[in-house]
Amino acid sequence: EDQVTQSPEALRLQEGESSSLNCSYTVSGLRGLFWYRQDPGKGPEFLFTLYSAGEEKEKERLKATLTKKESFLHITAPKPEDSATYLCAVQAAGNKLTFGGGTRVLVKP
Amino acid sequence: EAGVTQFPSHSVIEKGQTVTLRCDPISGHDNLYWYRRVMGKEIKFLLHFVKESKQDESGMPNNRFLAERTGGTYSTLKVQPAELEDSGVYFCASSRAGVHGYTFGSGTRLTVV
Repeated sequence: EDQVTQSPEALRLQEGESSSLNCSYTVSGLRGLFWYRQDPGKGPEFLFTLYSAGEEKEKERLKATLTKKESFLHITAPKPEDSATYLCAVQAAGNKLTFGGGTRVLVKP
Repeated sequence: EAGVTQFPSHSVIEKGQTVTLRCDPISGHDNLYWYRRVMGKEIKFLLHFVKESKQDESGMPNNRFLAERTGGTYSTLKVQPAELEDSGVYFCASSRAGVHGYTFGSGTRLTVV
């Protein structure tokens, strides 16, 4: 069974204080690893898809990396508007996603 | 383009009643998915439609849940009869054929009392 574990569960940062979120996964035949951002009362918002170990993608202050066992989401010089829950999900056979529990990020000014 | 639309946004029903959730995917998206998050747990897959056909319904918890997608456009998820453990947020998502990334709706928060 596919499994995704995210850590830490919660992260409090000062504005400008860079940090990384971890997503460890166990899957048979990874088709893709996804990062989503979720704001309160909203659905997950797509950020990145990573397909193979060594791949990296960037968007503004966010950078996602992938190895054979885990993915990292690096937040560089975060701003208060980066406060959200960040979700990691893997896709194996078929199209369904298996999600981790998420990391709640709070960036204080 | 308009996003994925779900309604109602909130629903409070009594145990034993019936509730129907609706999802309107992005126009032209053949793939439609239902997911849910129950209290304190991660988001979990329920089922996947390709057009009007059920491609994968392995996540449906039991036969009290019935999903339909008539004509391959909007979808409904009916819970009958509702139980307390069905409370949670139900998300719908859609994608184009061959595209792995989904667009999610804002969800329907279902509370069974």
